[in-house]
Amino acid sequence: GAVVSQHPSRVICKSGTSVKIECRSLDFQATTMFWYRQFPKQSLMLMATSNEGSKATYEQGVEKDKFLINHASLTLSTLTVTSAHPEDSSFYICSARTSGGDTQYFGPGTRLTVL
Amino acid sequence: GESVGLHLPTLSVQEGDNSIINCAYSNSASDYFIWYKQESGKGPQFIIDIRSNMDKRQGQRVTVLLNKTVKHLSLQIAATQPGDSAVYFCAEYPRAAGNKLTFGGGTRVLVKP
Repeated sequence: GAVVSQHPSRVICKSGTSVKIECRSLDFQATTMFWYRQFPKQSLMLMATSNEGSKATYEQGVEKDKFLINHASLTLSTLTVTSAHPEDSSFYICSARTSGGDTQYFGPGTRLTVL
Repeated sequence: GESVGLHLPTLSVQEGDNSIINCAYSNSASDYFIWYKQESGKGPQFIIDIRSNMDKRQGQRVTVLLNKTVKHLSLQIAATQPGDSAVYFCAEYPRAAGNKLTFGGGTRVLVKP
């Protein structure tokens, strides 16, 4: 099946710093990538949808200036958490979908801990 | 798979028995449904999908049943194994949401040896 990777798998940062998370589709071209956040014992909540070469679409309640998304190529999307605070600590998961496809392939997730 | 806030419903099952995980969805316009398995600290893994023009689909050791009348989806796992211990999520594609996946609350499956 299609493979999606994320880097880093874990990151610990100080409050006020910015953290970048990469999401790559390794063996297919992802015209659309999605970013989710998952708190402990909860389901995945969609944060934003990004299409290659265009601005991301954010879900209601998600601050676009705080969670910067760039989808510069068909195989790479990045999420930057700016001025991170402890409440941003969470499990961030990306997924990728091909053009015209329905199935989303998920990355392994990135555990962010903000001290 | 109904949302229960901070407490995931748990299904305890004996190794070798069959497991049935249920999910209620709310949007009658959804036409595509997926079951995902998520192990601790990992991303969701695709298990099986079904379209609304079907009511049953089988995979390897798994069967998904769709009842559109009562908006209910279930995942059956045959001969449950220790490796099946995980959280299982159903997800739907409601057309009104612009072809974006909406996840259910999740069910934890615990396989007892």
